[in-house]
Amino acid sequence: DQQVKQNSPSLSVQEGRISILNCDYTNSMFDYFLWYKKYPAEGPTFLISISSIKDKNEDGRFTVFLNKSAKHLSLHIVPSQPGDSAVYFCAAIHFQTGANNLFFGTGTRLTVIP
Amino acid sequence: KAGVTQTPRYLIKTRGQQVTLSCSPISGHRSVSWYQQTPGQGLQFLFEYFSETQRNKGNFPGRFSGRQFSNSRSEMNVSTLELGDSALYLCASSLGGDDEQFFGPGTRLTVL
Repeated sequence: DQQVKQNSPSLSVQEGRISILNCDYTNSMFDYFLWYKKYPAEGPTFLISISSIKDKNEDGRFTVFLNKSAKHLSLHIVPSQPGDSAVYFCAAIHFQTGANNLFFGTGTRLTVIP
Repeated sequence: KAGVTQTPRYLIKTRGQQVTLSCSPISGHRSVSWYQQTPGQGLQFLFEYFSETQRNKGNFPGRFSGRQFSNSRSEMNVSTLELGDSALYLCASSLGGDDEQFFGPGTRLTVL
């Protein structure tokens, strides 16, 4: 049962344009959401996160939006750069259970075309 | 500060064999979590160890087991390997609370 879903396996964007990666979740108890970036032969690296009490968090070129009623979050990258080409995973966590295991989506491969 | 290290990086086994993967967390980190990454399922949580105790477990069969040593290093064992166990196995370490997890590069296991 996939509680976190990324329905777009791939996305191609021109350099300088906006990249929008989407993520949906089914468990309304998730209270923290994260985006990870993964290059080949490397482990995922943390990118940006958002608490469920917020609807937006911004860090430089990266902004994450959370729509709790729709159980949807998105990552915006503006402007997109070729170095952003990687697989992006969204993840969710339910801290109140006392567990810190991450529930990941299946990933979206972003290709930024120079 | 050294990152999370995993050994070996690549491994080829045959069905029925067993395998042990190792993870050394960042110094000072007491929590180690293991994840399995497959193309169809993405990253799935296997288990988490904290201070030598399994604190949390995902939905994997009992063939998957782990342990953690007093220096926080962790091992993951898979017995009676199946073809479907072919995956990238990632471990992540953290201080142990609701803090950021840092991932290692993973061990690519291929089961023939």
